[in-house]
Amino acid sequence: DTAVSQTPKYLVTQMGNDKSIKCEQNLGHDTMYWYKQDSKKFLKIMFSYNNKELIINETVPNRFSPKSPDKAHLNLHINSLELGDSAVYFCASSQGPRGFSYEQYFGPGTRLTVT
Amino acid sequence: SQQGEEDPQALSIQEGENATMNCSYKTSINNLQWYRQNSGRGLVHLILIRSNEREKHSGRLRVTLDTSKKSSSLLITASRAADTASYFCLSDYKLSFGAGTTVTVRA
Repeated sequence: DTAVSQTPKYLVTQMGNDKSIKCEQNLGHDTMYWYKQDSKKFLKIMFSYNNKELIINETVPNRFSPKSPDKAHLNLHINSLELGDSAVYFCASSQGPRGFSYEQYFGPGTRLTVT
Repeated sequence: SQQGEEDPQALSIQEGENATMNCSYKTSINNLQWYRQNSGRGLVHLILIRSNEREKHSGRLRVTLDTSKKSSSLLITASRAADTASYFCLSDYKLSFGAGTTVTVRA
């Protein structure tokens, strides 16, 4: 069974479009994250939710909006896509609320290409 | 700059050799984790070392922590082609990962 899954795996879209990426974890974890990995491999945190509550919101454009309908799901909606949004987006989860003392489990990533 | 800077950026070794990479951080920590990322995949947790530990082993992996120097090292012994990946460290005060160390193991 896949622990952390993301859909879609690949997403190619044009500038100005709106798109969503979905994430689900079946580990029973309380905390979920969205990361963005750029072309230089820096993996930057965007958001973190604990028990459906937003606890980390890094400097991310308002065009990015996370939604956590329940503890097992964390979706990422992106409005008005720009070329600079092209990256690989990773979802992750961990057992603990802060997460950084706990092992994080990562999804396979969603490669977003904006043309 | 980011906490948890991995060094070197890239490393190329022959199969069977050891690979050592380092991680530096700026503030006091409670623990530090190492992760591996194979090409095109998500990160996989390798080891967590706590601030009161100096060394930790897991199979062919050895992690050390020097809190006085604010640094950690990851040693992979007897490397294999399957160890080809990027390796990242993450301290508990840091929100984001760095760019990692890319390790290439040549057959």
